[in-house]
Amino acid sequence: AQSVTQLGSHVSVSEGALVLLRCNYSSSVPPYLFWYVQYPNQGLQLLLKYTSAATLVKGINGFEAEFKKSETSFHLTKPSAHMSDAAEYFCAVSDRQTGANNLFFGTGTRLTVIP
Amino acid sequence: ETGVTQSPTHLIKTRGQQVTLRCSSQSGHNTVSWYQQALGQGPQFIFQYYREEENGRGNFPPRFSGLQFPNYSSELNVNALELDDSALYLCASSLVSDTDTQYFGPGTRLTVL
Repeated sequence: AQSVTQLGSHVSVSEGALVLLRCNYSSSVPPYLFWYVQYPNQGLQLLLKYTSAATLVKGINGFEAEFKKSETSFHLTKPSAHMSDAAEYFCAVSDRQTGANNLFFGTGTRLTVIP
Repeated sequence: ETGVTQSPTHLIKTRGQQVTLRCSSQSGHNTVSWYQQALGQGPQFIFQYYREEENGRGNFPPRFSGLQFPNYSSELNVNALELDDSALYLCASSLVSDTDTQYFGPGTRLTVL
């Protein structure tokens, strides 16, 4: 069964500092992995996805993530945090076994950016 | 941007009532999924519809049911509402050309009193 674990429910960084949000996955098949962002009182917006092509995936708003099979990780990074990055971030893995491509989400990491 | 819309934005119901939530995606989105997001949690998969038929279901009881229509709209129906059904309900749809990527609507906030 597929699942993801997000380490750290809250992360605080200073504006301009590196953002690192951690995600580890469990999957019995080669995974498709996603990062979504959710701003207050809004739905989810796709940041980036990994679908077995390049292991370093670049997304929107300067975010990127690296798929590391040996570590079963898919951590999200951004070199320099901006105030507008403050939001909830969710890592997800796609259920590719049943044919229904539903997503299994982690519990989320709330990012606070300190001015 | 794929423009998935949901209605209503907010809804208040009492325990035991029934509710219908609606989602509209664009032409070319042949798959729609519904998720429940409880406060402080990640979204949980309820079910998925493909070409108007249920194509997968999460760990939710039968009182959660759905429909998908030929015009790319869909409904989530919940009967016999319970207090724990209070959550944000998200609809997500996928393009025919990229079924691995789901595009989410803004959600419907359901409060059960």
